[in-house]
Amino acid sequence: DQQVKQNSPSLSVQEGRISILNCDYTNSMFDYFLWYKKYPAEGPTFLISISSIKDKNEDGRFTVFLNKSAKHLSLHIVPSQPGDSAVYFCAASAYAGGTSYGKLTFGQGTILTVHP
Amino acid sequence: KAGVTQTPRYLIKTRGQQVTLSCSPISGHRSVSWYQQTPGQGLQFLFEYFSETQRNKGNFPGRFSGRQFSNSRSEMNVSTLELGDSALYLCASSPGTSGGYGYTFGSGTRLTVV
Repeated sequence: DQQVKQNSPSLSVQEGRISILNCDYTNSMFDYFLWYKKYPAEGPTFLISISSIKDKNEDGRFTVFLNKSAKHLSLHIVPSQPGDSAVYFCAASAYAGGTSYGKLTFGQGTILTVHP
Repeated sequence: KAGVTQTPRYLIKTRGQQVTLSCSPISGHRSVSWYQQTPGQGLQFLFEYFSETQRNKGNFPGRFSGRQFSNSRSEMNVSTLELGDSALYLCASSPGTSGGYGYTFGSGTRLTVV
């Protein structure tokens, strides 16, 4: 049962344009959503997160949008740069205490390629 | 501020052997989680420790175990290695008090079982 899905395995954009990465989830108990960037043979690097009580969070070139009714979130990168080329993972946590601690549920990742 | 340190970076083991991986979290972080990354299954949660206690466990067989020491450093152990255990094992640390913190990951240990 894949509770977090990234349906696009890859995305290619031109430098300077907007990159939009999408993520869908099924578990209504998720209350935090995070995006990570990963290079091969390295650990994921945290980019940005959003609480389920918000619908938008912005940090520099990165903005995450959350649509709870659709169980959908997206990461916008504007403007895209060649250095943004990496695998992007969407992750979710259900911090309801008890057995929920410390567990991030990840999507399968989207490979972003930004062409100069 | 030092990041999350995992040792060793690379490891080759023979089927049937056991292995121990180590993780030193960011200073002050009390939570350490472990993940397995494989091409087929993606990033999968193994377990999480907070103040030396296992708080949560993923769906992995009992061959996978871990522990956390009083200084928050953590180790995970895999016994009776199988070829399918070949993966990148990642450790993540966080203060452990909120799901909103971006867990900080180490660079991982690449385990190859032959």
